[in-house]
Amino acid sequence: SQTIHQWPATLVQPVGSPLSLECTVEGTSNPNLYWYRQAAGRGLQLLFYSVGIGQISSEVPQNLSASRPQDRQFILSSKKLLLSDSGFYLCAWSVAGASTDTQYFGPGTRLTVL
Amino acid sequence: QKEVEQDPGPLSVPEGAIVSLNCTYSNSAFQYFMWYRQYSRKGPELLMYTYSSGNKEDGRFTAQVDKSSKYISLFIRDSQPSDSATYLCATNYGGSQGNLIFGKGTKLSVKP
Repeated sequence: SQTIHQWPATLVQPVGSPLSLECTVEGTSNPNLYWYRQAAGRGLQLLFYSVGIGQISSEVPQNLSASRPQDRQFILSSKKLLLSDSGFYLCAWSVAGASTDTQYFGPGTRLTVL
Repeated sequence: QKEVEQDPGPLSVPEGAIVSLNCTYSNSAFQYFMWYRQYSRKGPELLMYTYSSGNKEDGRFTAQVDKSSKYISLFIRDSQPSDSATYLCATNYGGSQGNLIFGKGTKLSVKP
């Protein structure tokens, strides 16, 4: 069966500090991978998605970036955090080529920028 | 007009009640419809997905799609306190990069 991991679970960072959130998927190959941010009252906002190693699409302009160094690893980064980067960050995966694009989510990372 | 509209609630019901959660969507090209359940401080988990109009049952849960009205519903029978969560509807155009479009979620509380 497939499993998706995210770490850390919670993170408190000062403004201007760097960020690295990691997501890994087990039990599947060549998944589509996604990063979302969920802020209170604003729903899920798609940040990045990837269909393969080194292939990243960005949905919104921001000071965040994403990388996919390995097939089942997806990393969300920032060089300098802003207060507005606080939120609940979710990684998700889906089966490549599936028409439904049903996505499966990880447990999330709660980021607080102070 | 937002592509998927969902009443944020909160919705509070007594244990054992039938719960109806609803979403409307604007684009008739949407093909697949999903419901996710999200407990507080957890990631969303897939409850059900459906493609065609009509009903799909899974235990106490029934997903209903009316493509002519662009209306999707999730019914929960014999609701339990453990059903207390935020429920998110989602839809997409289909294809391997469908990129789900989510409603903002309805917060449900089932009181014992």
